[in-house]
Amino acid sequence: AQSVSQHNHHVILSEAASLELGCNYSYGGTVNLFWYVQYPGQHLQLLLKYFSGDPLVKGIKGFEAEFIKSKFSFNLRKPSVQWSDTAEYFCAVAVNYGQNFVFGPGTRLSVLP
Amino acid sequence: DTEVTQTPKHLVMGMTNKKSLKCEQHMGHRAMYWYKQKAKKPPELMFVYSYEKLSINESVPSRFSPECPNSSLLNLHLHALQPEDSALYLCASSLRGGTATEAFFGQGTRLTVV
Repeated sequence: AQSVSQHNHHVILSEAASLELGCNYSYGGTVNLFWYVQYPGQHLQLLLKYFSGDPLVKGIKGFEAEFIKSKFSFNLRKPSVQWSDTAEYFCAVAVNYGQNFVFGPGTRLSVLP
Repeated sequence: DTEVTQTPKHLVMGMTNKKSLKCEQHMGHRAMYWYKQKAKKPPELMFVYSYEKLSINESVPSRFSPECPNSSLLNLHLHALQPEDSALYLCASSLRGGTATEAFFGQGTRLTVV
């Protein structure tokens, strides 16, 4: 069965630190990849997505992610985090011809002011 | 309009009650989803409707009954729920299944079963 793993359960950073959140998936076919963010008490919002083409994708709020097909990875990065980036981050993979979005377990990011 | 609207935002129901959750989108999306999210866990897929037809049912108990009356609306009918069904229920939509597209999520209905 398809699965998505995220490397870290909880990441604590100070403001201005760099961020990298790991995501790996197990699915041999064509995948579409996503990072969603869930701020406290809010709904899931799309940060960025990869469908095809350039494996380095840029999203909102200064986030970017790199798709490395050989490693089945789609890691999220941000050069300098802010306190407002405190949230839960979910990596997701669209499988079953795009009908099913499978989510990773999530990484909680806490940014200290 | 890039919103998925869910009502109600909060719902408390007894184990013998019947209630419904509603979801609406006006983005012309033809795939709609119900997810269940427990605290500190990722969303888990329950149902997928594609072009108003149920295409995926992830072995959800029959006390949850989905309905898609038209391309903009998605309902989840609840009956005889258990306390362990308490969770955040998320509705999502995407342009259509079978193509590269992202899902847009509603704010969810926080359900408490007492």
